[in-house]
Amino acid sequence: GAVVSQHPSWVICKSGTSVKIECRSLDFQATTMFWYRQFPKQSLMLMATSNEGSKATYEQGVEKDKFLINHASLTLSTLTVTSAHPEDSSFYICSAPPPPSYEQYFGPGTRLTVT
Amino acid sequence: RKEVEQDPGPFNVPEGATVAFNCTYSNSASQSFFWYRQDCRKEPKLLMSVYSSGNEDGRFTAQLNRASQYISLLIRDSKLSDSATYLCVVNDNNDMRFGAGTRLTVKP
Repeated sequence: GAVVSQHPSWVICKSGTSVKIECRSLDFQATTMFWYRQFPKQSLMLMATSNEGSKATYEQGVEKDKFLINHASLTLSTLTVTSAHPEDSSFYICSAPPPPSYEQYFGPGTRLTVT
Repeated sequence: RKEVEQDPGPFNVPEGATVAFNCTYSNSASQSFFWYRQDCRKEPKLLMSVYSSGNEDGRFTAQLNRASQYISLLIRDSKLSDSATYLCVVNDNNDMRFGAGTRLTVKP
């Protein structure tokens, strides 16, 4: 099946710093990628849809200036958590559908801890 | 009303039991439906797509009822390794909507 990777797999940072998370489709091109956040014992929450070559579409309640998304190529999308706070500590996951399917393949996730 | 609703469970069943989960969705124009499995602290993995005619993969059977706007997942002869959270996913023009997940624990 299709492979999606994420980097880093885990990161610890201090409050106020920024963290960049990469999502790559390894064996297919993805014009669209999705970013999710999952708090412990809760469901995945879609944060934004990343579109190659254009602006990301953010879900209601997600601050676009805090969660910067860049989809500069057909195989890479990045999520930057700016001015991180402890409440941003979460499991961040990306996904992408290999065309022409709508089936989502998920990256392994990035566990962010903000101290 | 949530766009995609699932019974959160938990469902605790003995090995060998048959268990079924339902998931309802609000958008009648939804086009694609999937069941994903998520193990603790891992990413979701596609279990199976759900087709209008229903589909079966080994011990797993998925059904779609468009008239009533729900999908179901049936697991027969459950194994200990089936313990996980099962996510219902509905796709509307590449707009993914997830259910909250149903937690299943299979006990010896």
